[in-house]
Amino acid sequence: EVQLVESGGGLVQPGGSLRLSCAASGFTFNKYWLNWVRQAPGKGLEWVANIKSDGSEIYYVDSVRGRFTVSRDNAKNSLFLQMNSLRAEDTAVYYCVTGGYFDYWGQGTLVTVSS
Amino acid sequence: DIQMTQSPSSLSASVGDRVTITCRASQSISGYLNWFQQKPGKAPKLLIYAASSLQRGVPSRFSGSGSGTDFTLTIGSLQPEDFATYYCQQSYSSPFTFGPGTKVDIK
Repeated sequence: EVQLVESGGGLVQPGGSLRLSCAASGFTFNKYWLNWVRQAPGKGLEWVANIKSDGSEIYYVDSVRGRFTVSRDNAKNSLFLQMNSLRAEDTAVYYCVTGGYFDYWGQGTLVTVSS
Repeated sequence: DIQMTQSPSSLSASVGDRVTITCRASQSISGYLNWFQQKPGKAPKLLIYAASSLQRGVPSRFSGSGSGTDFTLTIGSLQPEDFATYYCQQSYSSPFTFGPGTKVDIK
């Protein structure tokens, strides 16, 4: 059974940093692209970034490029999202999602940016 | 960036109704279109990928069609557990944009 478990969310002040993690199991982690998708409270879904199976290609939505960094550790079946210079508009539930079809989703972790 | 629109933004329907939701892309995305269902407080769930392929485990009352810029999600006979918000998403090119969602509630 595929499982994706996000962690690392919480309350942070504007301008602060946070690192999200996603622990994966139940599939061959090092063969899949992975995504981060977020959802602001009461709003729709926004794709944030993705990373190729071997980490050699990474893409970001414009609103986070230069502030967020995606990485992965295939030896530990883990995905990460380093978020710097956080803004109020980054407040959202962040989901870890598999592959090009977005077929498996974690339960999400809430990031709140507020003073 | 490719913009995705959905119509209607919300609809009210009864159990047993046939429901159709439309999604339009601002440029051709071939068949790179996914559909998701989301219930309150839960993560989205993939229903349809590549425009018309039913995800494993999803009931056959769900179907998808379309290519290019115009796509449709159809629920053949609405069931109580289908009341939710539905999103389309293009996986043709980065950023992989989602539609704004269609909320299906009980009439």
